[in-house]
Amino acid sequence: KNEVEQSPQNLTAQEGEFITINCSYSVGISALHWLQQHPGGGIVSLFMLSSGKKKHGRLIATINIQEKHSSLHITASHPRDSAVYICAVESGGGADGLTFGKGTHLIIQP
Amino acid sequence: EADIYQTPRYLVIGTGKKITLECSQTMGHDKMYWYQQDPGMELHLIHYSYGVNSTEKGDLSSESTVSRIRTEHFPLTLESARPSHTSQYLCASSRTGNYGYTFGSGTRLTVV
Repeated sequence: KNEVEQSPQNLTAQEGEFITINCSYSVGISALHWLQQHPGGGIVSLFMLSSGKKKHGRLIATINIQEKHSSLHITASHPRDSAVYICAVESGGGADGLTFGKGTHLIIQP
Repeated sequence: EADIYQTPRYLVIGTGKKITLECSQTMGHDKMYWYQQDPGMELHLIHYSYGVNSTEKGDLSSESTVSRIRTEHFPLTLESARPSHTSQYLCASSRTGNYGYTFGSGTRLTVV
């Protein structure tokens, strides 16, 4: 089964800073997901990537299939970005769901 | 507005009780999933379904059971709750093809 490693595990930054969260995985995948989980527990899907780069507002996600690596960037970070960011991968075919990283706990201080 | 609904949001129950966690989605997704998440830990798949009358166990062994009698409904049942079942349970759905996942808000279960 895929292993998904995220770094850093915890990140505290000042408002306005550029944030990068990294994700590495060990085997072939059909897609990689970036998810956001707030303290209440619910999860929001931010991006699904199979190649290249995607941008949504202040969030940018990139993936390098050859290097088995993805990054999530947050520009002009804000305290409301404070959350746990989770990288998850899915292998090709089937319905056997996602394999998750442990998450990066991000705190943006005003 | 959520398209996948989980109830209850929080549940505190005594040991030995039977409980059912509800999950419903209005998107017509064929695939549905239950994940378990202990505090500060990653999510683990405990059950999934390809469609009506299809259920499979996930990677993490669980004493719970699921059913999929209708496309939109994927309830999870614990016949006899134990303190070791204390966790957060998240339901998700997707549809066949290269599409994303939609997650519910979760049920935070505490067994005392």
